[in-house]
Amino acid sequence: DAKTTQPPSMDCAEGRAANLPCNHSTISGNEYVYWYRQIHSQGPQYIIHGLKNNETNEMASLIITEDRKSSTLILPHATLRDTAVYYCIVSLMYSGGGADGLTFGKGTHLIIQP
Amino acid sequence: DTAVSQTPKYLVTQMGNDKSIKCEQNLGHDTMYWYKQDSKKFLKIMFSYNNKELIINETVPNRFSPKSPDKAHLNLHINSLELGDSAVYFCASSQSVRAGTEAFFGQGTRLTVV
Repeated sequence: DAKTTQPPSMDCAEGRAANLPCNHSTISGNEYVYWYRQIHSQGPQYIIHGLKNNETNEMASLIITEDRKSSTLILPHATLRDTAVYYCIVSLMYSGGGADGLTFGKGTHLIIQP
Repeated sequence: DTAVSQTPKYLVTQMGNDKSIKCEQNLGHDTMYWYKQDSKKFLKIMFSYNNKELIINETVPNRFSPKSPDKAHLNLHINSLELGDSAVYFCASSQSVRAGTEAFFGQGTRLTVV
């Protein structure tokens, strides 16, 4: 089962910042927060990940609260091509008992409006 | 060049047949995965393969078998196909199974069993 809770859908105007929230209240100290997205009919695409500190790359920013129980993915200037399902995932990637991979939940369907 | 490539992109076959899906990654990664996305769009890991160690999701029927001829390839063989096997299958790879590594996904193979 996914360890995260996300809103099922969100709208955002083109050119504005899209802020996608994620709750992960049961996250353990050595679990990372990952964000992936899946554009219709394509494979999931990695966006960003973090452990404790806020992170930024060319695609997005990830803000993790101090208690690590929630995070926000920020797309600074959303375009129509950012319309996709966004998945927030917490994972060790390797638990010691085997490669668990990523457990995807239902994600947030982000719709960018022109 | 495509980092993770799968063939075929579409596969339509009859119940009872045996089929294979091929996956290749040119990223030099040590770990490869197979995921299944069902009609409800849930993505679930089926297998991970790292350094000749295969980790199997216990919910996967033994009709499914991954085969890795070398580190760059992880093919998926399916025997005695059933209607419920219809789904999109994604191959993925990551540098390792260590925490904090991201996974790269292929574009998927849409399998339809009739």
